[in-house]
Order: sequence, then structure tokens, then C-alpha cells
Amino acid sequence: DAMVIQNPRYQVTQFGKPVTLSCSQTLNHNVMYWYQQKSSQAPKLLFHYYDKDFNNEADTPDNFQSRRPNTSFCFLDIRSPGLGDAAMYLCATSRFKGGGAIDEQFFGPGTRLTVL
Amino acid sequence: TQLLEQSPQFLSIQEGENLTVYCNSSSVFSSLQWYRQEPGEGPVLLVTVVTGGEVKKLKRLTFQFGDARKDSSLHITAAQPGDTGLYLCAGGPNSGGSNYKLTFGKGTLLTVNP
Repeated sequence: DAMVIQNPRYQVTQFGKPVTLSCSQTLNHNVMYWYQQKSSQAPKLLFHYYDKDFNNEADTPDNFQSRRPNTSFCFLDIRSPGLGDAAMYLCATSRFKGGGAIDEQFFGPGTRLTVL
Repeated sequence: TQLLEQSPQFLSIQEGENLTVYCNSSSVFSSLQWYRQEPGEGPVLLVTVVTGGEVKKLKRLTFQFGDARKDSSLHITAAQPGDTGLYLCAGGPNSGGSNYKLTFGKGTLLTVNP
């Protein structure tokens, strides 16, 4: 089945130790998103890619970076994780249909990040 | 900036009761999506409504898009414990151009007690 896959599902890192989360998709969608979600809150958009065009949200800390080497893969790099970065990180994809309309977003299962 | 006000934020009910969740905005959206998220998982799309006044049904769930495409509601009939989860509404951008972002409501955490 076509889907959005995130690895690992659970990640433990130490304060200040760089960590990379990965996302892959078999949907061939041209837009990919990274969200941060804290307990029982709505997902907060960090950044998104339209093809290779990167779009950063204004309030996303510089500590968060992303790479999209090809259509299928996208990575979230946290350069120096702090305790406040512990959260669920969600990857999502959608298909831009043109004319300003986007298709639904399809989410991966998320990576739960713990910072010790 | 488009905003979606979702209410209530928390809802705890008994099995068999009915409930309605609301999403309201002063902005027009091209579409409105509803997601359900279970603990430890990503949100799963339930439905997309795109036409003003549209009503869609998914078993015991009824979704409605307002005539002016500024608001939406989710009604659950005879709630069951399996309906427990975080419900999120999200609006698609109404303007053209390079805006590929959804506007999310803050979510409704629903608990259905047996």
C-alpha cells in the first residue's frame, strides 16, 4: 500500500546531541511537510517542501533543519536538541493540484523524540 | 492569516451519547478536512468537504461544510469507546499561488467512557 513511513518510531537522544529523523513516501506527492506536535495539541508546521523548494515557517528555530534529496525522502535534523524539543514529529505529504488547491495531507505514524 | 477556532477543546462523554465538534473561521477555505488521531499515531484523514453546504456521512459520523465555506461541524451519533481520540479540523487555502499549507484547529480531545 502507498504510504508515508517514518523511522525510527521512537528516538532517544541526549541534550545537545544532533539527531536526524527520516520520512519516506510511496505516494509520489510533490509536497512534504514536517510538523512538531506536543501532547494533545494540534500539529505545528515547522517547514515544507514543494518539490525542492524549501519553505521555512517564521517561528521555526534555527536549530531545526531539513533536507529533501529526492521526491521520496525528507529528513529533519535537530542540531542541538534541548529538553523543549521533546515531542512527536510528524511527516506529511500532499499533492499540489494547481490553481491554488492542494490535496489532502497524508501523515506518517510519527517519531516520538525523547531528550535526556 | 487564516485561523480556525475549534471547540470544545476537551469532551468526555458516556458510550451511546451524541456529540458535535465545531470549527469556525472568519476566512473562506477551499476545503475542510477532518482527521482523527489516536495516541502515539499520526492523524488519519476521515473526510474532505469542498462544496459549501456539503454533508458527508461516514457510518455514525456526519460532517458538514458551511454554506459560506467558513465553518464545519462533526457530529457523532451513539459514540463508542473506539471513537476516543484527538479530532482535528484543517482548512485548505482559498487563494491561488504558492500556498500549500493547511490551517489546523487546536483539536478536540474526545474520551468516550464505557
